[in-house]
Amino acid sequence: AQSVTQLDSHVSVSEGTPVLLRCNYSSSYSPSLFWYVQHPNKGLQLLLKYTSAATLVKGINGFEAEFKKSETSFHLTKPSAHMSDAAEYFCAVSPTGGFKTIFGAGTRLFVKA
Amino acid sequence: DAGVIQSPRHEVTEMGQEVTLRCKPISGHNSLFWYRQTMMRGLELLIYFNNNVPIDDSGMPEDRFSAKMPNASFSTLKIQPSEPRDSAVYFCASSLPVAPWRSGELFFGEGSRLTVL
Repeated sequence: AQSVTQLDSHVSVSEGTPVLLRCNYSSSYSPSLFWYVQHPNKGLQLLLKYTSAATLVKGINGFEAEFKKSETSFHLTKPSAHMSDAAEYFCAVSPTGGFKTIFGAGTRLFVKA
Repeated sequence: DAGVIQSPRHEVTEMGQEVTLRCKPISGHNSLFWYRQTMMRGLELLIYFNNNVPIDDSGMPEDRFSAKMPNASFSTLKIQPSEPRDSAVYFCASSLPVAPWRSGELFFGEGSRLTVL
């Protein structure tokens, strides 16, 4: 069975400091992996996706993630947090052989001034 | 381009009433998904359609829930009768597959917030 585990329910950083949101997955060979962001009272929006090309994936707003097959991880990073990054972030997996996209429980990012 | 359009954005109803949520996917997308989001359970996939055909409805909580996609530009999620535990935000999303039997990026609507009193 496919699953996604987001290791932190909340992360708090100061503006200008690095962001690390952690995600581990369990899936079949060659899954597609995604990070989505959700601002209050909005739908989810794609930040970036991995689909078996380069293992370091760059997304919007300065975010990037690295696919590490040996660690079954897909952590999201950003060098310098902005106040506007405060939101909920979801890691998701779409396994080979199926349409289902399975979401993690989410990590709420707080950014302090 | 218009994104995924959901209506109503907010619905408040009383227990036992019928609720119908509507979704218009992005034109040209052939996969449509209904998700439910709650604090306790997070994002749950209820059902998804491919080319207007329901592929997997194993996430539908019980027989009170039903979903239809009569054509490529419209889908409904119906709850009859509604119960307070159905209170949640319901999202519709659409996508194009990147390869046979593999979902691509999901494009979400802004959700329908349902409150059942």
